[in-house]
Amino acid sequence: DAGITQSPRHKVTETGTPVTLRCHQTENHRYMYWYRQDPGHGLRLIHYSYGVKDTDKGEVSDGYSVSRSKTEDFLLTLESATSSQTSVYFCATNGGESAEAFFGQGTRLTVV
Amino acid sequence: GENVEQHPSTLSVQEGDSAVIKCTYSDSASNYFPWYKQELGKGPQLIIDIRSNVGEKKDQRIAVTLNKTAKHFSLHITETQPEDSAVYFCAAKSREGDYKLSFGAGTTVTVRA
Repeated sequence: DAGITQSPRHKVTETGTPVTLRCHQTENHRYMYWYRQDPGHGLRLIHYSYGVKDTDKGEVSDGYSVSRSKTEDFLLTLESATSSQTSVYFCATNGGESAEAFFGQGTRLTVV
Repeated sequence: GENVEQHPSTLSVQEGDSAVIKCTYSDSASNYFPWYKQELGKGPQLIIDIRSNVGEKKDQRIAVTLNKTAKHFSLHITETQPEDSAVYFCAAKSREGDYKLSFGAGTTVTVRA
């Protein structure tokens, strides 16, 4: 898992509340990604980062924001959680030398 | 952007038989095609990949083939074993310098003992 730790691993939250998911890596990888996994959709890219303070949107970025103040940490924030954001969220990293992505164990988020 | 389609969505095979998963992609500039295996409760892990300058690659019981003209690539698992039961994802990367992967919807493979 290339030293990737996601926290929390499970979370239940109420609609309208803010939620922050954390991804921490120990590999000094330049690239970091947040994906969501839903049945029938595979893995869809939410946001990614190509360096400290350098981020960009993925294909399903609405309702999400990210921040990367240090190489090792990439935060995903749901400003006001909705039921449609109930999903399993995966963080991934890539060192840049190849295109191989390494994934964390995932965070199961339930919005009620 | 890149669009990757994957079939079938579920696949059940008898232990010892072969399994084949097929993917198509839309961007002719795509040059890297990895396959990931996801076991229950875990994150996806890379099992094999292929680049656009190669037509086939094999690693023990798994192999991947690429047809650039038709824009499709396939995963082949031979002599399937119970531990091959998992969800498999294909992916494609569009261009040099872009380290974003577009994933297929996944195939749930079940190996029957």
